[in-house]
Amino acid sequence: AQKVTQAQTEISVVEKEDVTLDCVYETRDTTYYLFWYKQPPSGELVFLIRRNSFDEQNEISGRYSWNFQKSTSSFNFTITASQVVDSAVYFCALSEARSNTDKLIFGTGTRLQVFP
Amino acid sequence: NAGVTQTPKFRILKIGQSMTLQCTQDMNHNYMYWYRQDPGMGLKLIYYSVGAGITDKGEVPNGYNVSRSTTEDFPLRLELAAPSQTSVYFCASSFLAGYGYTFGSGTRLTVV
Repeated sequence: AQKVTQAQTEISVVEKEDVTLDCVYETRDTTYYLFWYKQPPSGELVFLIRRNSFDEQNEISGRYSWNFQKSTSSFNFTITASQVVDSAVYFCALSEARSNTDKLIFGTGTRLQVFP
Repeated sequence: NAGVTQTPKFRILKIGQSMTLQCTQDMNHNYMYWYRQDPGMGLKLIYYSVGAGITDKGEVPNGYNVSRSTTEDFPLRLELAAPSQTSVYFCASSFLAGYGYTFGSGTRLTVV
């Protein structure tokens, strides 16, 4: 069965600190997709990144970086030099290609609070 | 480019009332979804559709119904509202499997 675990319920940091949000997933499929979404206090869900199971390259986008490791079934998200605007709930999600329905299984989210 | 539009944004229902949450997308996406978000619980899939005329249950379908008569519209019907249906509802669409969703802005529903 598919499952996404975000063990960190809430993280608080001071501005300019680096922070890593953990995501561990379970799937029996060999082809799958992993995602991160951001939900700021305004409530909308914003797509951050997509990764397919065959692409283990780490990705960097500005202050954001993602570390995908199939060996540990993890897809962790790091924010470098955090800013107050990074305060949000962050969701990791998984979909399996086999079903061809694109259903996403979400983790329970990590609330990040960045204090000035 | 409107993307995914949900209406209403807020609604208060009395127990036993019914209502329809509207969802429309203008991106010609085949896949559409309804999720509910409860505090601390992430998002749970209620119903989904892979194309007009095709719908299927997700993880938490009880108390809800959907239809998909056109590619653009995917309304969610609540019959006999219960306090357990108090939640934030998100509609989403995707073009191809694995490409990620475009979400609507959500509907905050309170059943009292």
